[in-house]
Amino acid sequence: NAGVTQTPKFQVLKTGQSMTLQCAQDMNHEYMSWYRQDPGMGLRLIHYSVGAGITDQGEVPNGYNVSRSTTEDFPLRLLSAAPSQTSVYFCASSYSGPIQGEQFFGPGTRLTVL
Amino acid sequence: AQSVTQLDSHVSVSEGTPVLLRCNYSSSYSPSLFWYVQHPNKGLQLLLKYTSAATLVKGINGFEAEFKKSETSFHLTKPSAHMSDAAEYFCVVSSDRGSTLGRLYFGRGTQLTVWP
Repeated sequence: NAGVTQTPKFQVLKTGQSMTLQCAQDMNHEYMSWYRQDPGMGLRLIHYSVGAGITDQGEVPNGYNVSRSTTEDFPLRLLSAAPSQTSVYFCASSYSGPIQGEQFFGPGTRLTVL
Repeated sequence: AQSVTQLDSHVSVSEGTPVLLRCNYSSSYSPSLFWYVQHPNKGLQLLLKYTSAATLVKGINGFEAEFKKSETSFHLTKPSAHMSDAAEYFCVVSSDRGSTLGRLYFGRGTQLTVWP
């Protein structure tokens, strides 16, 4: 199993550009989530999904969209990038919510918005 | 509301000495508590979790944590530090009910340095 994979590993954007961060898992996990990690802030939940076709907002959803058309994939879209979105983004998955099951994290995408 | 406070942003120990990383939590309901570790340029890995079973929880790599409801604490300990323990550690709280069901709330992290 590859586990949770994220692409790209690094990305530089200009303000106003759009892009999609990809996340895929091959463990047949129902629950997937996106976090951002900023220095001294820990991880904050952006969006999450409890299964294909179902998504919901986390703590810091503004400026981000998600969709979940398949169990395996959970892309995160930045519609119009802003410097405040410079961060490291982690995707995670678990079999059933993050309480019952261990969350498996991807290696992260380091995004810089100029 | 759930929140976590990690009392030390940095902890330095010598190899072979005990490790103590402190965490206090706030939760409106019965909490589930976790410790995650992040090695440089890596994703997070679960060390251990407490979900209302035994109050002393054993995790991987010799770490353990004790849930103390009266002190609202969930400190992480290890009897003898190893160089490979150098990493950032996150205390995490969640709730099993309410409008934020299933969400995890991360502390700001404690950077552990291990000196040879």
